[in-house]
Amino acid sequence: DAGVTQSPTHLIKTRGQQVTLRCSPKSGHDTVSWYQQALGQGPQFIFQYYEEEERQRGNFPDRFSGHQFPNYSSELNVNALLLGDSALYLCASSSSSELTQYFGPGTRLTVL
Amino acid sequence: QKEVEQDPGPLSVPEGAIVSLNCTYSNSAFQYFMWYRQYSRKGPELLMYTYSSGNKEDGRFTAQVDKSSKYISLFIRDSQPSDSATYLCAMSATAAGNKLTFGGGTRVLVKP
Repeated sequence: DAGVTQSPTHLIKTRGQQVTLRCSPKSGHDTVSWYQQALGQGPQFIFQYYEEEERQRGNFPDRFSGHQFPNYSSELNVNALLLGDSALYLCASSSSSELTQYFGPGTRLTVL
Repeated sequence: QKEVEQDPGPLSVPEGAIVSLNCTYSNSAFQYFMWYRQYSRKGPELLMYTYSSGNKEDGRFTAQVDKSSKYISLFIRDSQPSDSATYLCAMSATAAGNKLTFGGGTRVLVKP
């Protein structure tokens, strides 16, 4: 049983560009959450998707947007990249019948 | 002030010692408490999950929650070099749709 997968593993962008990160949840999970983890800090909640709708959102600007597909996979989009967006972006999946969240390996984004 | 505080360490212990980790929090609405382990450049891995106050034991790991003091702890017995990692505490106010709020993580080094 594959766990949570994310792509790409890492990427480098320049300021002002746009980026799309992808996540496939663990089999049987229908909820996907995205977190940003800056170097040396704990993950910070960006938003959560359930039934293709954004259910909760953390304190992140509108430059951060997402989408969930009918197969429960999800994308995170970040527009107008800033140097401060450089971080490890983590996807976590869960189900409505299971309380815990399982994390993927993350996508490391570097903005130059 | 952050909602969840965690000493960043590093915490260095000899192999076989007990590792003691803790977090304090300010939001009395938190009811679900988790500990994650994160190896360098990897995603967090769930270790322990507890609800409300009390103790929970799983192998070499013991988690304690004291809601009256807003204080949680994780103890690792018979520590091994493979336990060297960053340990993150995480909390949630609700089970369903549970946005996780993380501490900053404590780096642990277990020396052979």
